[in-house]
Amino acid sequence: QSALTQPASVSGSPGQSITISCTGTSSDVGGYNYVSWYQQHPGKAPKLMIYEVSNRPSGVSNRFSGSKSGNTASLTISGLQAEDEADYYCSSYTSSSTWVFGGGTKLTVL
Amino acid sequence: QVQLQESGPGLVKPSETLSLTCTVSGGSISSYYWSWIRQPPGKGLEWIGYIYYSGSTNYNPSLKSRVTISVDTSKNQFSLKLSSVTAADTAVYYCARDRRVAAGTWYYYMDVWGKGTTVTVSS
Repeated sequence: QSALTQPASVSGSPGQSITISCTGTSSDVGGYNYVSWYQQHPGKAPKLMIYEVSNRPSGVSNRFSGSKSGNTASLTISGLQAEDEADYYCSSYTSSSTWVFGGGTKLTVL
Repeated sequence: QVQLQESGPGLVKPSETLSLTCTVSGGSISSYYWSWIRQPPGKGLEWIGYIYYSGSTNYNPSLKSRVTISVDTSKNQFSLKLSSVTAADTAVYYCARDRRVAAGTWYYYMDVWGKGTTVTVSS
């Protein structure tokens, strides 16, 4: 299985909005509404931010939102804050009943 | 509040078998799938495989020939064995709570993660 495709890096200024894309195939992202997004700060474990494309776990800010169109899922962070600076990974369930992750995107808050 | 803790040797010799255990506390291992994920230094996340509490498993095709995941419900633990390791297997290894079924509905995501344990493959 091939990793999902994410941009290596994105950046934005405080208060702005950014979007991170995650492109897969019809065998993963396009075939299932089981896309998750994880935030990872340096030296820390990943934290679930979005599940099943657009759902937020309890305690996650509503500045984080997710969507999907075809084989591409997206994570949008609005009202960017310094604490949002981190690596972000998407993941998707696949037709082989496995999981696949994206390569990760480094978000820099300018 | 469910917590996961990885444990095992931090140093493994090339060609030997890496063995890690994940202990689940604050909740039962039953009714969930449980995954192992790894992250090589400076790189992204790679899913290794999962196990259902009943014992059924599925693995990343790229690692399948070398991976075995098992569960011990009496100890609320599940384990990872990775054989014939090389330097490329050096990584932080995470365990995570995977999908579950509740009231007839499946929920697909990994919502609880351990803090991770660093495993270095070196002679």
